[in-house]
Amino acid sequence: GAVVSQHPSWVICKSGTSVKIECRSLDFQATTMFWYRQFPKQSLMLMATSNEGSKATYEQGVEKDKFLINHASLTLSTLTVTSAHPEDSSFYICSAKKGATDTQYFGPGTRLTVL
Amino acid sequence: EDQVTQSPEALRLQEGESSSLNCSYTVSGLRGLFWYRQDPGKGPEFLFTLYSAGEEKEKERLKATLTKKESFLHITAPKPEDSATYLCAVSGGYNKLIFGAGTRLAVHP
Repeated sequence: GAVVSQHPSWVICKSGTSVKIECRSLDFQATTMFWYRQFPKQSLMLMATSNEGSKATYEQGVEKDKFLINHASLTLSTLTVTSAHPEDSSFYICSAKKGATDTQYFGPGTRLTVL
Repeated sequence: EDQVTQSPEALRLQEGESSSLNCSYTVSGLRGLFWYRQDPGKGPEFLFTLYSAGEEKEKERLKATLTKKESFLHITAPKPEDSATYLCAVSGGYNKLIFGAGTRLAVHP
């Protein structure tokens, strides 16, 4: 199998606070994980690529100081949204690559609402 | 520029009415073409990976095919539970997927 989990599945926070989202590969090791965000009725937008033990690579237009990514082990990557604002409200989804193929397996997503 | 275009944007079918979804792509050095299913409020579920023109893969009522310019996802005798958004993506000579906008499929009894 190739199961990816995310925690929490939803979170509500106040403007100005930070929120951490965890992404775990449960039955395989993932040297590379990805973070996406998705707005209603739109496709996935890649935010960053996370490689175990090294700094994440951010897509153009994504603030690396606002969206902190840590990939400290082969089964865990975290995304921290710092000083969250209402415009950061979105559906955040992680994925992980298994083995040498480019196939990505996705987590169930985290719904973030910033009040 | 690498690009993925899916059509139609939305498709409504009667239960049992077979149809096909299209994914046209331009990419330098195709490493793989991927089909995912996404239900509302959930992450994409992996369906198929196709690597070369002429390749076909099947899973239950779904069959994916690949040519040098496009891929089709054929749905045979669909059921209401097949209703979802179907996403197509490609990978080229880089470490990420390029996604299409998706096709929203609704199957009515």
